[in-house]
Amino acid sequence: GAGVSQSPRYKVAKRGQDVALRCDPISGHVSLFWYQQALGQGPEFLTYFQNEAQLDKSGLPSDRFFAERPEGSVSTLKIQRTQQEDSAVYLCASSLSGQGARGYTFGSGTRLTVV
Amino acid sequence: SQKIEQNSEALNIQEGKTATLTCNYTNYSPAYLQWYRQDPGRGPVFLLLIRENEKEKRKERLKVTFDTTLKQSLFHITASQPADSATYLCALDNANTGFQKLVFGTGTRLLVSP
Repeated sequence: GAGVSQSPRYKVAKRGQDVALRCDPISGHVSLFWYQQALGQGPEFLTYFQNEAQLDKSGLPSDRFFAERPEGSVSTLKIQRTQQEDSAVYLCASSLSGQGARGYTFGSGTRLTVV
Repeated sequence: SQKIEQNSEALNIQEGKTATLTCNYTNYSPAYLQWYRQDPGRGPVFLLLIRENEKEKRKERLKVTFDTTLKQSLFHITASQPADSATYLCALDNANTGFQKLVFGTGTRLLVSP
């Protein structure tokens, strides 16, 4: 597609519920990133995929967070047993190469609110 | 510790003036630095990239400088317009851990008044 598409745009989850956030990157983009953005803060790195391989997951806050990109295109970020501190905007970005030398294209994000 | 600092206070300027935003970093050795614009409810939009061996980069009304000795980048918008009002984020790669991970500052909100 023309841009990075994320769904849903908004998600309200009860504490303890599992959620799945979807990212459709730009077709042909090798690299895919997930970021978490708290209110008034800059995006914080969660994880990075090159095609289907998850090369860096050092930013995932806990083992409740899991990301996959099984066919090297669409990616899903799953959060199990959500907690209030998980409330944030989750941004997905893609780029042609892994080095970001041409900048990343971000989606509009999924705003997750845990109540 | 590693830090990327941008002015947390909003920058208010009048239309037609030049806006200058600052990004300072410590304990990073970036190969390049990027600037993004973010509007409310949207994801960041890439504006400009400057490499460590470049002093200055221009694109239309935008100009970025990069001083690796001072560990600082300045972002200028000349002839500013109300439509330039947004939050501007600087981001750099952390060459110590690989190029794939962009690290962002907290952003500076720019308000351009007519």
